[in-house]
Amino acid sequence: GEDVEQSLFLSVREGDSSVINCTYTDSSSTYLYWYKQEPGAGLQLLTYIFSNMDMKQDQRLTVLLNKKDKHLSLRIADTQTGDSAIYFCAEKTGANNLFFGTGTRLTVIP
Amino acid sequence: DGGITQSPKYLFRKEGQNVTLSCEQNLNHDAMYWYRQDPGQGLRLIYYSQIVNDFQKGDIAEGYSVSREKKESFPLTVTSAQKNPTAFYLCASNRDRQETQYFGPGTRLLVL
Repeated sequence: GEDVEQSLFLSVREGDSSVINCTYTDSSSTYLYWYKQEPGAGLQLLTYIFSNMDMKQDQRLTVLLNKKDKHLSLRIADTQTGDSAIYFCAEKTGANNLFFGTGTRLTVIP
Repeated sequence: DGGITQSPKYLFRKEGQNVTLSCEQNLNHDAMYWYRQDPGQGLRLIYYSQIVNDFQKGDIAEGYSVSREKKESFPLTVTSAQKNPTAFYLCASNRDRQETQYFGPGTRLLVL
């Protein structure tokens, strides 16, 4: 079955770059997503990438996709304290179901 | 404002009691979803509905029920058969199953 894996925790200093990694198993993924969850809140869509792309940039966010290794990453440039949250990677399969990773808790140290 | 609303924000359930979580959207989305989130785990799909009067089981439907009588509303009932209901419940919707899902703010269910 589908499996999406992420590290549980990441700490960075304010102003540094953060890189959150994700691996997935389903080669029929059509889209891959990054969602952000702040404490006690729902998920906010940050960005997504179509499976035939290898990079997407959106302001401070850069998504890299290595389809051969089934590896997705989210880089946040100039990380701020407001970026502290849980970040979920999710893949959409050919059946249009979304499968989520465990989430990575990003802590930004002032 | 367009969006997805969930109520209540917190809900307490007594043993043996059924409780219903509300999810409403005014985005004119056809598809709606319910997920359960447990600490240190990703979201797991409970039920989804692609259209009014139709719904499908997700990966963990046991102990839950849903209805979809109106396009805007997709309530989730947590029945007494759900033995471990304490979790954060998230509702989502999209225009159709191929598009990006947008999430509500969530309801935290606690058992007394």
